[in-house]
Amino acid sequence: QQQVKQSPQSLIVQKGGIPIINCAYENTAFDYFPWYQQFPGKGPALLIAIRPDVSEKKEGRFTISFNKSAKQFSLHIMDSQPGDSATYFCASSMNHGNKLVFGAGTILRVKS
Amino acid sequence: ETGVTQTPRHLVMGMTNKKSLKCEQHLGHNAMYWYKQSAKKPLELMFVYSLEERVENNSVPSRFSPECPNSSHLFLHLHTLQPEDSALYLCASSQESGASYEQYFGPGTRLTVT
Repeated sequence: QQQVKQSPQSLIVQKGGIPIINCAYENTAFDYFPWYQQFPGKGPALLIAIRPDVSEKKEGRFTISFNKSAKQFSLHIMDSQPGDSATYFCASSMNHGNKLVFGAGTILRVKS
Repeated sequence: ETGVTQTPRHLVMGMTNKKSLKCEQHLGHNAMYWYKQSAKKPLELMFVYSLEERVENNSVPSRFSPECPNSSHLFLHLHTLQPEDSALYLCASSQESGASYEQYFGPGTRLTVT
């Protein structure tokens, strides 16, 4: 019940494409869903986050879509650029908990 | 120095050695975390400290011993490690210890146990 399943494991898109990364969770008590971006040699950094009271959130070229009934959420990167090449992690937590449960990560490569 | 710093960046140690990892945050945060990152696996939360008190211990083996002398510094003391402990160890901090607070990560220490 504490797992977050992330797919795909890796993804290659052409510049300008729209990569989509999906996550599914089991614990219905989860109510905070962030995405983290990690470049080689760096720690993860918060990219965008959503709470279940909305179905979509946009920040620049990054969009989270959230489906509460299916217990799934996804990250879309519009007009992807080579600089977006990184590993992306989804995560989930309960609002009053101390613990972020992370997915296994997706390695994204955007070809120029 | 800004953000979250970790030293050393790389560490190779034998199974009988004792070493320590250091983390320092320059953000004025009250909570600090240790994570283990292994290839193709989710980040694993190891320990959470809030105002120098440990508030979460995720069933971590006793060969890993955390220490938080103040809200800016966090250590991970290592002894008699196993080869499967080889991984990237990440430190993070946040304003408070709730998981919905943004966590700021350091660059990690790449640990190899021989």
